[in-house]
Amino acid sequence: DTGVSQDPRHKITKRGQNVTFRCDPISEHNRLYWYRQTLGQGPEFLTYFQNEAQLEKSRLLSDRFSAERPKGSFSTLEIQRTEQGDSAMYLCASSRRGPYTGELFFGEGSRLTVL
Amino acid sequence: AQSVTQPDIHITVSEGASLELRCNYSYGATPYLFWYVQSPGQGLQLLLKYFSGDTLVQGIKGFEAEFKRSQSSFNLRKPSVHWSDAAEYFCAVGFNTGTASKLTFGTGTRLQVTL
Repeated sequence: DTGVSQDPRHKITKRGQNVTFRCDPISEHNRLYWYRQTLGQGPEFLTYFQNEAQLEKSRLLSDRFSAERPKGSFSTLEIQRTEQGDSAMYLCASSRRGPYTGELFFGEGSRLTVL
Repeated sequence: AQSVTQPDIHITVSEGASLELRCNYSYGATPYLFWYVQSPGQGLQLLLKYFSGDTLVQGIKGFEAEFKRSQSSFNLRKPSVHWSDAAEYFCAVGFNTGTASKLTFGTGTRLQVTL
């Protein structure tokens, strides 16, 4: 396993700008998840893909947020018209195909700072 | 909805001392329970998990956890802490939707180890 890779690791932007994060999951994993972690909190579920299909979205994911996984491999998370409240660590995770194991493999995260 | 409570925000122990991190959950059925560790600059890593069966589960790095249904608890323990165990620890509860490994995390406990 080469691990889950996220890019960029840190993004500083001004309020109102758009930002995009990329996640490359472990190659044989077909399930991909996005979580958000704010200071002093645990990760909160945002959305989930199985292959290229987005199967679930949290209510935390406002209409300014969009996630894609066009070919069932890497995924992007875009935030439009960023707000200061969007400042957080955005975590990507993947899991294996097959029976439920509950184990998620996390990337190191992309930290967003909105000024 | 399921929830996870980690009552201790910060714990300090001496190297070589024993450790217990508390976790309580709220869920209508028997949950799937997990402990993850997050070290600075690294992604979340699974320490151990409980699905069913023996209520005492062993994990990596010498950690163990005990599921107590009557107390809705899943406390993490280690008999002798090493300085490298300093990190943030997250308890999580999951449920099998048939496809997703969606997890609900607690707010975490930061462990400091003194030499």
